[in-house]
Amino acid sequence: AQTVTQSQPEMSVQEAETVTLSCTYDTSESDYYLFWYKQPPSRQMILVIRQEAYKQQNATENRFSVNFQKAAKSFSLKISDSQLGDAAMYFCAYRSAVTGANSKLTFGKGITLSVRP
Amino acid sequence: EAQVTQNPRYLITVTGKKLTVTCSQNMNHEYMSWYRQDPGLGLRQIYYSMNVEVTDKGDVPEGYKVSRKEKRNFPLILESPSPNQTSLYFCASSLSPPSGNTEAFFGQGTRLTVV
Repeated sequence: AQTVTQSQPEMSVQEAETVTLSCTYDTSESDYYLFWYKQPPSRQMILVIRQEAYKQQNATENRFSVNFQKAAKSFSLKISDSQLGDAAMYFCAYRSAVTGANSKLTFGKGITLSVRP
Repeated sequence: EAQVTQNPRYLITVTGKKLTVTCSQNMNHEYMSWYRQDPGLGLRQIYYSMNVEVTDKGDVPEGYKVSRKEKRNFPLILESPSPNQTSLYFCASSLSPPSGNTEAFFGQGTRLTVV
């Protein structure tokens, strides 16, 4: 079974600074997807960024980028130029790419990010 | 607009009173799933469905039932709710692998309190 670990329960960043959220995972599969989801106080689950395991290039979405280290099974999220609206809980998640399998999302426990003005 | 709609958003009920949380998606997705979110535990899968009439247990299925009679709907049923089912519930839908677009779309969440 796959597991996702987010070891930091909370982090804080100064507005306009950069912060990195850590995530490690464990799997025996070679093909899979990794995600970062943002959950603001509204509780809505918002997809921040996605990475396909077969792609060596790290995904980037505006101020959000990842450092994907497949061999180390590490998938960290970097938020540049942090904004007050980035304050939320962030979840790292894994999804199998195996056809016919239960393609559930396996989530980490989440990290609460606060942004200091 | 592509969306997953859950109802109700908030529900307070008493132990043992059967309830249903509805979920509907308008994206023609095959795969639908229910998750519960609890503090310090992240989201855990309750049940999933890979297509109409195909459902199976996830990681925490005890005390729950589901059905998938139509592709768009995937209700979650609590036959006899207990206080340990107090949680935040999410319905999600997506295409199934090997589709390249694997994004899961989530409903707005249902905050359930069982007293």
